[in-house]
Amino acid sequence: SQQGEEDPQALSIQEGENATMNCSYKTSINNLQWYRQNSGRGLVHLILIRSNEREKHSGRLRVTLDTSKKSSSLLITASRAADTASYFCAAGGNNRLAFGKGNQVVVIP
Amino acid sequence: DTAVSQTPKYLVTQMGNDKSIKCEQNLGHDTMYWYKQDSKKFLKIMFSYNNKELIINETVPNRFSPKSPDKAHLNLHINSLELGDSAVYFCASSQDRGRQETQYFGPGTRLLVL
Repeated sequence: SQQGEEDPQALSIQEGENATMNCSYKTSINNLQWYRQNSGRGLVHLILIRSNEREKHSGRLRVTLDTSKKSSSLLITASRAADTASYFCAAGGNNRLAFGKGNQVVVIP
Repeated sequence: DTAVSQTPKYLVTQMGNDKSIKCEQNLGHDTMYWYKQDSKKFLKIMFSYNNKELIINETVPNRFSPKSPDKAHLNLHINSLELGDSAVYFCASSQDRGRQETQYFGPGTRLLVL
């Protein structure tokens, strides 16, 4: 089954720096999504990139998708303390989303 | 307005008990899901319903039984609770199951089995 796997799993950065997270998956997909989870809360959708797209932007977020390598990256530019959260990638296909283990990102003010 | 709501938010119970978690969405979506998030934050799908019809039933013990009285509600009943059932359970919904579009999550129910 599809399985997103993020790398690295924990990232600590200074406010204003960029944060990059990577994700790999194993099978074919229709899309790749990224979600954010603040401590004690549910997941919130950030961005979706379709399998025929290579790059997508949304505000301070930039997502890339390389279907030949079965990988995606999420870049958060000019990070803020409020970006502190866990970030999950999810591979969309076969009537479901397969979530990875999540990256904990801590932005230090 | 809460898009996807779950009750209760916290559930502490003894081993062997039976409990239910309720989920409601007011987004008009056709598809609803139950996920389990363990202590390492790994999120695993359990069930999915499309317009009251079960479409995904992962390898979940049959002590877990979902029930969808209508497409806006998907409840989860758990019989004979075990220690390993302790986790956070998330309900989610989406407009269209076929294209795996954006899912909207509830706030989660934190279940602790003692």
